[in-house]
Amino acid sequence: ETGVTQSPTHLIKTRGQQVTLRCSSQSGHNTVSWYQQALGQGPQFIFQYYREEENGRGNFPPRFSGLQFPNYSSELNVNALELDDSALYLCASSLGGELFSGNTIYFGEGSWLTVV
Amino acid sequence: AQSVTQLGSHVSVSEGALVLLRCNYSSSVPPYLFWYVQYPNQGLQLLLKYTSAATLVKGINGFEAEFKKSETSFHLTKPSAHMSDAAEYFCAVSEAYSSASKIIFGSGTRLSIRP
Repeated sequence: ETGVTQSPTHLIKTRGQQVTLRCSSQSGHNTVSWYQQALGQGPQFIFQYYREEENGRGNFPPRFSGLQFPNYSSELNVNALELDDSALYLCASSLGGELFSGNTIYFGEGSWLTVV
Repeated sequence: AQSVTQLGSHVSVSEGALVLLRCNYSSSVPPYLFWYVQYPNQGLQLLLKYTSAATLVKGINGFEAEFKKSETSFHLTKPSAHMSDAAEYFCAVSEAYSSASKIIFGSGTRLSIRP
């Protein structure tokens, strides 16, 4: 039990649609990051939010966007869904500062997205 | 750029035998190194991490890993495997004191335990 909760746990979307995934961080955590894990692969960093601002982004197109709210909950939005977007999306939270100092990052159990 | 290579996508050991999962990293700056475990249909759980303190790091469930800078390795070991250790294990690297906690994961090693 990491204290990071994600919703929904599973969903199916049609190619071209838009999806919003939600994450509730562990209490007190001010940093949230999102990862995409395709079947049989390791997670890939999408982006990170620190104090409601994006402060790091991986190699993902702009149709992947996010928000972090004042209560440190977060959303991942994906527009114009493609078949290759089918994956497990993991949210991770930590108590961070301006620079990463190795604080433990806690992962949620993920949201399984299937695009058909 | 940072990267992680996990040697062996699948490792099988007998219950009670030594577990050794291999990981080599590449980083141009001082790294933070991690091992995570993922059970079926679950998220990632941190086993242990190296953040430039002691090079021998002890984690949960009896696992430990040793940071060897000269070999750019961070292998995970456990003296005696249990059936409950069957899972997917990911080695990961991050850049110390970067502006974001971007973690680069390896492709994973699936550990199977034979009775």
